[in-house]
Amino acid sequence: AQSVTQLGSHVSVSEGALVLLRCNYSSSVPPYLFWYVQYPNQGLQLLLKYTSAATLVKGINGFEAEFKKSETSFHLTKPSAHMSDAAEYFCAVSGTTSGTYKYIFGTGTRLKVLA
Amino acid sequence: ETGVTQTPRHLVMGMTNKKSLKCEQHLGHNAMYWYKQSAKKPLELMFVYSLEERVENNSVPSRFSPECPNSSHLFLHLHTLQPEDSALYLCASSPSSRGTQYFGPGTRLTVL
Repeated sequence: AQSVTQLGSHVSVSEGALVLLRCNYSSSVPPYLFWYVQYPNQGLQLLLKYTSAATLVKGINGFEAEFKKSETSFHLTKPSAHMSDAAEYFCAVSGTTSGTYKYIFGTGTRLKVLA
Repeated sequence: ETGVTQTPRHLVMGMTNKKSLKCEQHLGHNAMYWYKQSAKKPLELMFVYSLEERVENNSVPSRFSPECPNSSHLFLHLHTLQPEDSALYLCASSPSSRGTQYFGPGTRLTVL
């Protein structure tokens, strides 16, 4: 079975500071892992994904995430926050349950960027 | 037109009304999804269609009825809804059940 846990439903950072959004997963098979972003009144859009290639994945808008199997983590980072990064971020895992692929989203982390 | 589109973007309905939400994807994907997003609740997967067959129904009340007439279109028929059904309804599609999901902008539904 798959599950994903996002630590912190709200995160605030100052403009220019490091952004770190945490995601831990569990999966009985090698997972595919995703980060999505949702801006107000919009659907989710893909930031980046891990599909068993390089463990450090670079995405759009300067975000990146590192797959750490030993820690079952896939944390999202950005070196310097911008006001336009304020949004809700969702981690997701895709794996199998009884031979059927399941796609599970985390509960989301709302990022606030302070001027 | 590209991507996933949803109509209408906003819908207000009474509890006795019948309405339908429409989703259309122009990406050639095989899987389509309906999600419900309520304030302060996790994203809830409602239905999954793969190659036009429903493959997942997560204990959704029968007042929600999905329809997938072809691989590009997905509908959610609504009848006798309750106020707690007010939410953002998101449609998504993906090339496979494991791949990236592409979301539409959602329909903001208010049930009075």
